[in-house]
Amino acid sequence: GAGVSQSPSNKVTEKGKDVELRCDPISGHTALYWYRQSLGQGLEFLIYFQGNSAPDKSGLPSDRFSAERTGGSVSTLTIQRTQQEDSAVYLCASSLEAGGNVDEQFFGPGTRLTVL
Amino acid sequence: KQEVTQIPAALSVPEGENLVLNCSFTDSAIYNLQWFRQDPGKGLTSLLLIQSSQREQTSGRLNASLDKSSGRSTLYIAASQPGDSATYLCAVKGGTALIFGKGTTLSVSS
Repeated sequence: GAGVSQSPSNKVTEKGKDVELRCDPISGHTALYWYRQSLGQGLEFLIYFQGNSAPDKSGLPSDRFSAERTGGSVSTLTIQRTQQEDSAVYLCASSLEAGGNVDEQFFGPGTRLTVL
Repeated sequence: KQEVTQIPAALSVPEGENLVLNCSFTDSAIYNLQWFRQDPGKGLTSLLLIQSSQREQTSGRLNASLDKSSGRSTLYIAASQPGDSATYLCAVKGGTALIFGKGTTLSVSS
């Protein structure tokens, strides 16, 4: 079946502009995660959604970052007033459920964001 | 705070060698551990997931072990091939999100 998809694959923007990144999880997966992969920091958790529960935003680096998940499926990560340090690959993952020790996360191909 | 370390950071081997990648973590209270593969410019491919109650998992030429008490996992790759060249990431799940190591970049020469 189809895996996790993300769009766009690449995004180049100017400092100060807003950007939106999209993630389509695997059908039927209730948990959705956003991570960021940058050269110096490795892979970092940003936010996760589980069903209709309030999202865990504990990994968001600043209030310029926000995310929503509509209808329990597609998610959009928004970065306002982008800065050069936001340049990174943004990865989305989904899993059947967030809890438990059998919860396997599957990742999308990522969106490479470059802020000039 | 959970920290995950992978050693070595890079490894070069000739084709056919068996090799071991190492992963260590500081907090043994984990739900599971996942090994991923990442090719340049690509996303992550899940290779193996070991539940906290398990000691090892096998998939083809790959075998991953977990020793929770000592905070260690190893990924064993048998009879390496050039197509195995990639970055291998280890990640532990203690809460809801995965905590990743920085990876081992493997190069297998023919």
